[in-house]
Amino acid sequence: AQRVTQPEKLLSVFKGAPVELKCNYSYSGSPELFWYVQYSRQRLQLLLRHISRESIKGFTADLNKGETSFHLKKPFAQEEDSAMYYCALRYSGGGADGLTFGKGTHLIIQP
Amino acid sequence: KAGVTQTPRYLIKTRGQQVTLSCSPISGHRSVSWYQQTPGQGLQFLFEYFSETQRNKGNFPGRFSGRQFSNSRSEMNVSTLELGDSALYLCASSYNPLGGDGNTIYFGEGSWLTVV
Repeated sequence: AQRVTQPEKLLSVFKGAPVELKCNYSYSGSPELFWYVQYSRQRLQLLLRHISRESIKGFTADLNKGETSFHLKKPFAQEEDSAMYYCALRYSGGGADGLTFGKGTHLIIQP
Repeated sequence: KAGVTQTPRYLIKTRGQQVTLSCSPISGHRSVSWYQQTPGQGLQFLFEYFSETQRNKGNFPGRFSGRQFSNSRSEMNVSTLELGDSALYLCASSYNPLGGDGNTIYFGEGSWLTVV
């Protein structure tokens, strides 16, 4: 069965410091991975997806199939980055598909 | 265009009762999926409906059910409520099914259910 692991429940860094939110997955098929973000009092929204290979709000994430990881990175954290971040994997095949989420990392950017 | 709308936003039910939650997807979206969010288990996939048919179901007991109407609006029902059903229930919509390529999923704000 597919699984997504976010090892850090809470990550606190200072403004201007680099940020890396870890995400590891296990899945026997070809993975499609996403990062979702939830700012305070807002709905969950897509931040980025690995197939787009884009940078959103300064964040990037690279799929590393060898290490089965999809870590989210930003070189210089800003206070508005404080939020809950969820890594998700879309699975497909065998008559079933859906999204599996990690348990999330609460990122706090200190001034 | 309007986002995914869920009603009610907050509700309190008693153990043993049943509850129905409603979700209106973004106009034109045909897939609606439901998720349960709790502090302990995080976000868990409940089920997905596409064109009025349940396509996928997560690992939840049969007390959790849903349906989708011809206008793509969806409802989920939980019968014989238990204390552990207290959670935020999120609905998400997309144009293609969850398994479709290039599919962006949009979430609603959720319905907070408290079972007492």
